[in-house]
Amino acid sequence: LAKTTQPISMDSYEGQEVNITCSHNNIATNDYITWYQQFPSQGPRFIIQGYKTKVTNEVASLFIPADRKSSTLSLPRVSLSDTAVYYCLVGNSGAGSYQLTFGKGTKLSVIP
Amino acid sequence: KAGVTQTPRYLIKTRGQQVTLSCSPISGHRSVSWYQQTPGQGLQFLFEYFSETQRNKGNFPGRFSGRQFSNSRSEMNVSTLELGDSALYLCASSLDRPTEAFFGQGTRLTVV
Repeated sequence: LAKTTQPISMDSYEGQEVNITCSHNNIATNDYITWYQQFPSQGPRFIIQGYKTKVTNEVASLFIPADRKSSTLSLPRVSLSDTAVYYCLVGNSGAGSYQLTFGKGTKLSVIP
Repeated sequence: KAGVTQTPRYLIKTRGQQVTLSCSPISGHRSVSWYQQTPGQGLQFLFEYFSETQRNKGNFPGRFSGRQFSNSRSEMNVSTLELGDSALYLCASSLDRPTEAFFGQGTRLTVV
């Protein structure tokens, strides 16, 4: 069972790039790494998913080193609306026996 | 396109009772996952259903059970409620990969 570790909280000023790192030392070969964003009183929202190297979409980038024991979510030029809790999820992509393990979440506070 | 709908949004039950929560996934989604979210334990995976079959289960006691119907709607049942079952229960649906899912707003269960 892959355990994940994230910083509890981070502060950033508007317009800066924010990098949130998740450690997952016991990641399995078939596990993918996924990041979610959650606002108060809402369910988590999918941000990005990757397996190795770098993945980029319109809102974020995900960097995964060759050993895959950690991953870094990068949010470019954050705004106040990016204030939320960010979760790292490690788990298998498909059917079969697997576990889905969320990190405890990183509370990002964006300061004007 | 309608999102994931969970009913009811709020529920208060007495210790020892049982409860059933409902989840209507996004149309066309065949995978439905359930999670428990508490301040202390964070987001924990309960189980996942795909085409009416439970594909995997997290580390929760047998009091927690679920099922999925032919229209992909899913229900989760908790029997013999304990105070510690008070939590936000989240349902998520996806086409296939449970790691790339859309979440509902959750059902807030309070056990008194």
